[in-house]
Amino acid sequence: GAVVSQHPSRVICKSGTSVKIECRSLDFQATTMFWYRQFPKQSLMLMATSNEGSKATYEQGVEKDKFLINHASLTLSTLTVTSAHPEDSSFYICSAPEFGTGDEKLFFGSGTQLSVL
Amino acid sequence: AQKVTQAQTEISVVEKEDVTLDCVYETRDTTYYLFWYKQPPSGELVFLIRRNSFDEQNEISGRYSWNFQKSTSSFNFTITASQVVDSAVYFCALSVEYGNKLVFGAGTILRVKS
Repeated sequence: GAVVSQHPSRVICKSGTSVKIECRSLDFQATTMFWYRQFPKQSLMLMATSNEGSKATYEQGVEKDKFLINHASLTLSTLTVTSAHPEDSSFYICSAPEFGTGDEKLFFGSGTQLSVL
Repeated sequence: AQKVTQAQTEISVVEKEDVTLDCVYETRDTTYYLFWYKQPPSGELVFLIRRNSFDEQNEISGRYSWNFQKSTSSFNFTITASQVVDSAVYFCALSVEYGNKLVFGAGTILRVKS
């Protein structure tokens, strides 16, 4: 069945490096992908919305130059955290709706725990 | 703008107790969707239920039940005969267009002790 596969599940990196997180839709076409961030013991906050073939829409306060989102195909959206710093350490999770089935569903990836040293 | 309030930050119960998690929402839209998700320690979000604004029927699924009351803008979640495996963070969420972004509440940590 339909699933959103998110990788990596956990990444530890040094400050200043860039990290790419991938979300792939399996068995359905994800024309839209939502990217959320969750700080420890806090809620999930929407960072940006990506649509296949167009520029992502960022929520207020999210730096688009720091969090690069690419949605080049109907099955793949990526989030790149550029020049990561310790304050970027967070849990990142993607979500994609599946349309056209008569019972639209919203699928979440399994999340990526980013730790920046 | 939409808002979801989960006033209970943390709840601790003993196994087999019933527990209700509260959710109050705000929206000016007449059509909206309400969700409950479970987030175990592993982090993934487990979908529990979706309810649209035109369906006020309460729902029961095994030990889980949901009470949707538009008059009080509430969508509460009850676990009957709680089990240790129910321990997790539970999020209530709102969307004003199906397939669109979700606004999440702050979450309620549920600890079920044996």
